Amino acid sequence: GQQLNQSPQSMFIQEGEDVSMNCTSSSIFNTWLWYKQDPGEGPVLLIALYKAGELTSNGRLTAQFGITRKDSFLNISASIPSDVGIYFCAGPSNTGNQFYFGTGTSLTVIP
Amino acid sequence: ETGVTQSPTHLIKTRGQQVTLRCSSQSGHNTVSWYQQALGQGPQFIFQYYREEENGRGNFPPRFSGLQFPNYSSELNVNALELDDSALYLCATQIRPTRNTGELFFGEGSRLTVL
Repeated sequence: GQQLNQSPQSMFIQEGEDVSMNCTSSSIFNTWLWYKQDPGEGPVLLIALYKAGELTSNGRLTAQFGITRKDSFLNISASIPSDVGIYFCAGPSNTGNQFYFGTGTSLTVIP
Repeated sequence: ETGVTQSPTHLIKTRGQQVTLRCSSQSGHNTVSWYQQALGQGPQFIFQYYREEENGRGNFPPRFSGLQFPNYSSELNVNALELDDSALYLCATQIRPTRNTGELFFGEGSRLTVL
């Protein structure tokens, strides 16, 4: 299957700081997705990207679809305690019936 | 709140036993996928059901099987449980056909522990 690698694996930041994380793939994707998973919950979709080079925002979150279509970036500005969780990137198979998820970036925000 | 309900939330089984996990989807969400999430890992695709038939399968052995019912709810069955089957099992629903991929709605998951 597709390999999606995320970095960093974990982050510890002060409240108010900005956060950047990225995801790289061994293969091209036509769609990039970013999910957040809180403890004891299922992943929730944050942002979807459908075009190479696309930059999309959702509140304090901004994500970019890399030009090579093999990477994507997620930025969180002015972090707050509720940003704590695990962030996953994901991309669909060619048929669209399955999604490949990255290894996850664990974010801890220190008040 | 995604409207996707899974049961049970937690369960403990022993090696060799069988387990059935259940998922009910939002109204109109006609496609159900199951994912396995081991501790510290991202979700791994098991299979998808659409119109009550399997519509794609990941790298999981045949002892992982599923069903989808006319009301779009679904079951995941795992036979001959192994220790490595211990994981969070996630149900995800979506609407097909859809112009855009990606809008997967996940349930809270069923945490399976195999002893």
